[in-house]
Amino acid sequence: EAQVTQNPRYLITVTGKKLTVTCSQNMNHEYMSWYRQDPGLGLRQIYYSMNVEVTDKGDVPEGYKVSRKEKRNFPLILESPSPNQTSLYFCASSLTNRPNYGYTFGSGTRLTVV
Amino acid sequence: DAKTTQPNSMESNEEEPVHLPCNHSTISGTDYIHWYRQLPSQGPEYVIHGLTSNVNNRMASLAIAEDRKSSTLILHRATLRDAAVYYCILKNTGTASKLTFGTGTRLQVTL
Repeated sequence: EAQVTQNPRYLITVTGKKLTVTCSQNMNHEYMSWYRQDPGLGLRQIYYSMNVEVTDKGDVPEGYKVSRKEKRNFPLILESPSPNQTSLYFCASSLTNRPNYGYTFGSGTRLTVV
Repeated sequence: DAKTTQPNSMESNEEEPVHLPCNHSTISGTDYIHWYRQLPSQGPEYVIHGLTSNVNNRMASLAIAEDRKSSTLILHRATLRDAAVYYCILKNTGTASKLTFGTGTRLQVTL
């Protein structure tokens, strides 16, 4: 089944403890992206990647890192998580970033930083 | 960037058609109109997209006004599983690196 897989689905961590949220897609998509969703603020893009080894900042990149060493994987790294990064995170992928293609989203990772 | 305007909420009875409107009066000629929906506790899901002509797929139909300043997502027979937030999003080559989600329309479907 074509899908975007995120892990873990739920995570509770403490301030400052480095964590990685994994994202993997099995559709050979070039484009991948991370979003966070917060009440009242909607979905906002954190980082995106047009292809392997090509990443760029979205609207809210502060406090996050990403890497794209392989086409299928696009992990989101929080080097020193803080409570304001408590959020619902979604990974998305698309065959290309052209405007006539849709995105496939993962099921989400609910992160709580205490 | 061109913006979209959608009603905050709509209600429908099950098995009846639903017409979800979207206004995009500042749309440019290269903007594609995309629709996504987000079911409770799930990630957004692509529904349909179009440029100028009406489009149909297994999930829905998209009717685009002749002047492209508005569009309507049509669910032909709403079911309880269609209860979700529906987002209308414009996407062009310049903005194609991201989707800009607004507040969307929360659709309630009742028996």
